Amino acid sequence: QVQLVESGGGVAQPGRSLRLSCAASGFTFSHYGMHWVRQAPGKGLEWVAVIWYDGSNKYYADSVKGRFTISRDNPKNTLHLQMDSLRVEDTAVYYCARVFHSGNSQSLDLWGQGTLVTVSS
Amino acid sequence: DIQMTQSPSSLSASVGDRVTITCRASQSINTFLHWYQQKPGKAPRLLIYGASSLHSGVPSRFSASGSGTDFTLTISSLQPEDFASYYCQQSHSSPLTFGGGTKVEIK
Repeated sequence: QVQLVESGGGVAQPGRSLRLSCAASGFTFSHYGMHWVRQAPGKGLEWVAVIWYDGSNKYYADSVKGRFTISRDNPKNTLHLQMDSLRVEDTAVYYCARVFHSGNSQSLDLWGQGTLVTVSS
Repeated sequence: DIQMTQSPSSLSASVGDRVTITCRASQSINTFLHWYQQKPGKAPRLLIYGASSLHSGVPSRFSASGSGTDFTLTISSLQPEDFASYYCQQSHSSPLTFGGGTKVEIK
C-alpha cells in the first residue's frame, strides 16, 4: 500500500525540541523529493521544508530556517524533521508529502495523515 | 516570495451547483499552479496539477484553467462529497506558497 505515516508529534515547551518522522511504504522512496507542510489550527497550509530525492539539496521557509533540519534515510524509507528552539507559533499539524513531477512542475501527490505539534508552556 | 490570493474565502452552494474558485499570483507563474482539496481532519488531496491536468482518480466534474497570474478551479455539478476546503499552490519559485483557501459549504 502506497502511504506515508508521520510520527513524533506531541507537546513541547517553548525552546525545546521535537523530531518528526515520516515512514514511506509502497513506492521507491529514494526516487522522490519530499516536503514538510504544516497547518496551524484553523488556518491554511504553510510550506516548511523540502529535501531532494538523494538528500543533496535542502531548502527551508524563512520562519523555520536555522531552527529546523530536514533529513532522510533512504535505506530505511524514512524522512525526518528535527525541530529545535520551538516557538508557540510552530504549533500545527505537520504533514510530509511526496513530490509529483510533471515536466518542470512540482505538485504534492501523496500526503501523510499528519502529526500534531503543540508548543506551550 | 510569490503571494497567492484565493477568492472567495468561503462560499455556500447547493448540490448540483456550478462552483468556481479563483486564484491569483502576485507575479507570473506560467502554469506551475496546483489545486488541492482538504476535508476536516484529513490531509490535502491533489486534484489538479500544471494548472489544468486532472490528477489520477479525480472525478471529471473538476476542471481548471489559467496561466500567468490568473487561475480558476471549477466544479461543474457540486456533489455532497465536494464540500471541503480548496487550496491553490504555486511551484514556480521557492518557497512553495499556498493560497489562503476557499471553504465550500452547504447552502
